[in-house]
Formats: sequence, C-alpha cells, structure tokens
Amino acid sequence: DVKVTQSSRYLVKRTGEKVFLECVQDMDHENMFWYRQDPGLGLRLIYFSYDVKMKEKGDIPEGYSVSREKKERFSLILESASTNQTSMYLCASSPRGLAGVVKDTQYFGPGTRLTVL
Amino acid sequence: QKEVEQNSGPLSVPEGAIASLNCTYSDRGSQSFFWYRQYSGKSPELIMFIYSNGDKEDGRFTAQLNKASQYVSLLIRDSQPSDSATYLCAVKSVRYSTLTFGKGTMLLVSP
Repeated sequence: DVKVTQSSRYLVKRTGEKVFLECVQDMDHENMFWYRQDPGLGLRLIYFSYDVKMKEKGDIPEGYSVSREKKERFSLILESASTNQTSMYLCASSPRGLAGVVKDTQYFGPGTRLTVL
Repeated sequence: QKEVEQNSGPLSVPEGAIASLNCTYSDRGSQSFFWYRQYSGKSPELIMFIYSNGDKEDGRFTAQLNKASQYVSLLIRDSQPSDSATYLCAVKSVRYSTLTFGKGTMLLVSP
C-alpha cells in the first residue's frame, strides 16, 4: 500500500513564526504535491514537484515555499505565518508515467491542521 | 481555464437507495477522471478512476463518463450510513500537469 505521512496532525503557531510542514512517501513516487483545504473553497494546489530539487507553483503559492532535497520528502514552508494561513494542509504523491490513468492517481497523507494565532 | 463543478449538497438518501453524484468539467482535453471520498476531518481516499466513455463498476460503485457532454458521475448502490462523506471529483487534462478538484458533494445516508 502507498503510504504518505505528514509530520504533525495538529499544529498551533503564532503570527510571524516560520513553519515547516513535512511530508514523506514510501512508494518511490516522483511527483509530490501540497494542497490546502478550506470550507467552501475546496482543495487548492500550493506547490508541486516532479523531481528532486524541482518545484512548480500551483494556484496559490504566495506566502509559501517548498523544498525537495530527497525523492521521498517534500517540505512546505511558511516563511512568516499569518492568520489567513490557518487551514488543513494535505500532501499527496503520485508515480510518474508517460500515459495511463493509474499513473496520475494521487495518494494523500492524513493532513495537518494548522492554526495560526 | 480548468473548472470542475459539483453540487455542494447535501445529497440525502435513505439506506439501501442509489446515490447519484454528478460532476461537470470545462476542459475538453481532459483525459482521466477520479472520484475521491473524504470523511469529515480526514484526507481524501481514492474510490475509482475512469478514462473511457461508458461505465466502470467496482463493487457497489459505478463511475460513468460522457466526454461529449463533459460529464462524469458516481453511482453508489445499496447506500450505507458509512457512505456518508464528501465526494470529490478530480480531472486530469493533457494540457495541465496536475489534477483539478471539484469542491465536493456531501452525501448523507440516513438509516
């Protein structure tokens, strides 16, 4: 089974703090993704990565950065946390494939509920 | 422009009935379609994927795809209270390299 783990289930931080959210997958997947999920807004893509040291902006990258130094690990960084970054953060991974729908399937971690006070 | 639309619900059905969840998408280049289930406070889990027009069945679940109408649906037969969750539709197009998710439909199955 694919396993995606996230470093914390719940996190409380103060405004202005630097926050690190870690994601690890054990299936040797090339692709990794960070989303946030808010009521009424659905899942929104923050950043994704297709390979080590590679990153691409998603739909809402402002206020975030990412790091992928190893294939299995993808970190989301909030440089200076703000209250509007209070949200559920979800990491996902998928294998790379030239074709075939199975290769596009994303598997999610359990999520980190971040509260910024 | 990539849009995936779902009725937010809630869709309420009695136990044992068929639940029908619908999704429309705007990108005609879309090729792969996914249904995820998300329980409250949990992360999405994959139920099914489909990429060819027609029906695909897996147990109590049937995914239906009509590319001409840009429409994908999920049928849940013999609905159970444990099926109560939010169902997310996701679409993958050739043009965009990531999945686009709908906002989800909440399903409530009453005993």
